[in-house]
Amino acid sequence: NAGVTQTPKFQVLKTGQSMTLQCAQDMNHNSMYWYRQDPGMGLRLIYYSASEGTTDKGEVPNGYNVSRLNKREFSLRLESAAPSQTSVYFCASSDRVYNSPLHFGNGTRLTVT
Amino acid sequence: SQQGEEDPQALSIQEGENATMNCSYKTSINNLQWYRQNSGRGLVHLILIRSNEREKHSGRLRVTLDTSKKSSSLLITASRAADTASYFCATVLSGGGADGLTFGKGTHLIIQP
Repeated sequence: NAGVTQTPKFQVLKTGQSMTLQCAQDMNHNSMYWYRQDPGMGLRLIYYSASEGTTDKGEVPNGYNVSRLNKREFSLRLESAAPSQTSVYFCASSDRVYNSPLHFGNGTRLTVT
Repeated sequence: SQQGEEDPQALSIQEGENATMNCSYKTSINNLQWYRQNSGRGLVHLILIRSNEREKHSGRLRVTLDTSKKSSSLLITASRAADTASYFCATVLSGGGADGLTFGKGTHLIIQP
């Protein structure tokens, strides 16, 4: 039982490059989330998907797009990376949005030069 | 926007002592959750306390919630070196909303052997 799996673990991009962060969960959870964590800022919600087929913006969605591919998978895409997007990105899932605990992956450390 | 704020930002105690961390928030909540993050890892859920609950226990952890003061505390009793981590409170606003689960900036706890 792997829980929430994120790939890749590390990535270095040049400004303007694009990439997709992958996330998959095997707990049959309905809701999935993408957060970014920056020093001194805590975690901030980028996008979330309350259920398969739906996605909604969080606090800091600019510069990102998401796809809820199926119930298991929720990807985050950076179309044109900027240095301000250097961060650690965490994917999480929960049985229900808001009212059940979140299960986190181990993060993707992204550096944009 | 940061809803919860943990206090203190950092705490260093001797192994075997109790550690207390506090969380204050600004608006009415549906529930409040505490998470632990070990260095370089994802967050791990500890306890969820609903707005109509005042106290919950889980092993050596005790969480209290005072909705009149808009505050919560996390007590770790008989601390161990393995408790060294960052601890975050996260709130779900009443009625949900686009922010979903909103995290504070965390308390960094160091247990000295």
